[in-house]
Amino acid sequence: EAGVAQSPRYKIIEKRQSVAFWCNPISGHATLYWYQQILGQGPKLLIQFQNNGVVDDSQLPKDRFSAERLKGVDSTLKIQPAKLEDSAVYLCASSLQLAGYYTGELFFGEGSRLTVL
Amino acid sequence: ILNVEQSPQSLHVQEGDSTNFTCSFPSSNFYALHWYRWETAKSPEALFVMTLNGDEKKKGRISATLNTKEGYSYLYIKGSQPEDSATYLCAFLIQGAQKLVFGQGTRLTINP
Repeated sequence: EAGVAQSPRYKIIEKRQSVAFWCNPISGHATLYWYQQILGQGPKLLIQFQNNGVVDDSQLPKDRFSAERLKGVDSTLKIQPAKLEDSAVYLCASSLQLAGYYTGELFFGEGSRLTVL
Repeated sequence: ILNVEQSPQSLHVQEGDSTNFTCSFPSSNFYALHWYRWETAKSPEALFVMTLNGDEKKKGRISATLNTKEGYSYLYIKGSQPEDSATYLCAFLIQGAQKLVFGQGTRLTINP
C-alpha cells in the first residue's frame, strides 16, 4: 500500500515570497491533516479536512495560509507571503476517519521542510 | 488550551541500556493517547494508540503504559539499539474533540 506522498521535500525561499506544498493521502482515507512543526516544538494542527470539507482550521493563519482539498483526495497548502517564522516542517497526515470517532493511528508523509530567509 | 508535556526533552543512552520517558496530559475527558516515532528524514510512524486506563501495549522491545486517572503515559525501550534513535511524540485526544494535541517530543540518541 502506498504511503502518504508529499512534495517538495525541501524548499528555501525569501520572506514575502509564496510557496505551495502538495499532499496525496493513502487511498480511501477520508481525513487529511496539515501540521506545522517548528524546531523544538510539537506538531501543531493547521487544518483538518473530512473528504473535501474543512473540519478544523482554527489555528491556520488565514491572512497568509490557505489550503484546499477540492476533490476530497489530494491537497495543497499555500503560504503567501511567507514570513521568517514560517520556517518549519509541514507534515501531511491521513486517517480512515476523524480522530474523534476513530482509535486508529494517523499515517504521515515525510514532510516538507521550509526555510524562509 | 490543552497542554501535553513530554519529559525529558532529550536523552542520551548507551547502547544496550534500557530507558523510559513520560507523556503528561489532562486527566479529564480522556479519549485516546497516541505514541509516534519520528526518525530523521523519515515520516513519523505510529507505535501505539491507547484508549483504556491501565492499558499496556508492546511492540518488540518497546512498551507503553497508560494511566488516565492521573494523566500520564510511560514509554519504555528495553536494550536500546542505534536504530531506536529518534524523536518520540505523544498526542492526546479529548472526548468530543476532533484533533490530536501533540507534545513537544523526546529526542532519544543511542550512543554505540
